[in-house]
Amino acid sequence: DAKTTQPTSMDCAEGRAANLPCNHSTISGNEYVYWYRQIHSQGPQYIIHGLKNNETNEMASLIITEDRKSSTLILPHATLRDTAVYYCIVRVIQGAQKLVFGQGTRLTINP
Amino acid sequence: DTAVSQTPKYLVTQMGNDKSIKCEQNLGHDTMYWYKQDSKKFLKIMFSYNNKELIINETVPNRFSPKSPDKAHLNLHINSLELGDSAVYFCASSQASALQETQYFGPGTRLLVL
Repeated sequence: DAKTTQPTSMDCAEGRAANLPCNHSTISGNEYVYWYRQIHSQGPQYIIHGLKNNETNEMASLIITEDRKSSTLILPHATLRDTAVYYCIVRVIQGAQKLVFGQGTRLTINP
Repeated sequence: DTAVSQTPKYLVTQMGNDKSIKCEQNLGHDTMYWYKQDSKKFLKIMFSYNNKELIINETVPNRFSPKSPDKAHLNLHINSLELGDSAVYFCASSQASALQETQYFGPGTRLLVL
């Protein structure tokens, strides 16, 4: 699985959009970008994933650059409950594949 | 209804003891996993079972033995517990045959070895 690089920590004001960057310059053509988050003391939670097109669901939006070497997770209206560690993971999409977690980005939403 | 459940939630035990952690999923998934999160918060895969068959076995001491009695359950038995085994253990499940596989995690079991 390709390696990802994320900032160690970020802050965002409540109600604002939180934009979390991820670099994955060695991503392969068959690898997707996945985002998970871990709220304190809980198990990781799936957020969104994508291949090359931008994706949106009820939780977030995922913007992937045209060269696929980086992406941004967007939480459009961050709330205090979005405070968590966010993990960007690249992996093939099918089959029983292990998730390789990096250090992630510790996002703090401030009131 | 909890999708992926683990018992116990907390486990405090003495070094040298043998203990088991249980995991159950009611999502109808065919694949289950065990991950370990150490004190530095790094999450790492330990094992994975697909249809009761071991398919991922990372470099884990053989004191750890997973057992999958059926597709909905994956238990983790640990022999001769050591201080370094203290960690949070997460169970996860997924439908590996799905077009887009996503893993769902349990709440974790916090193991403290004294």
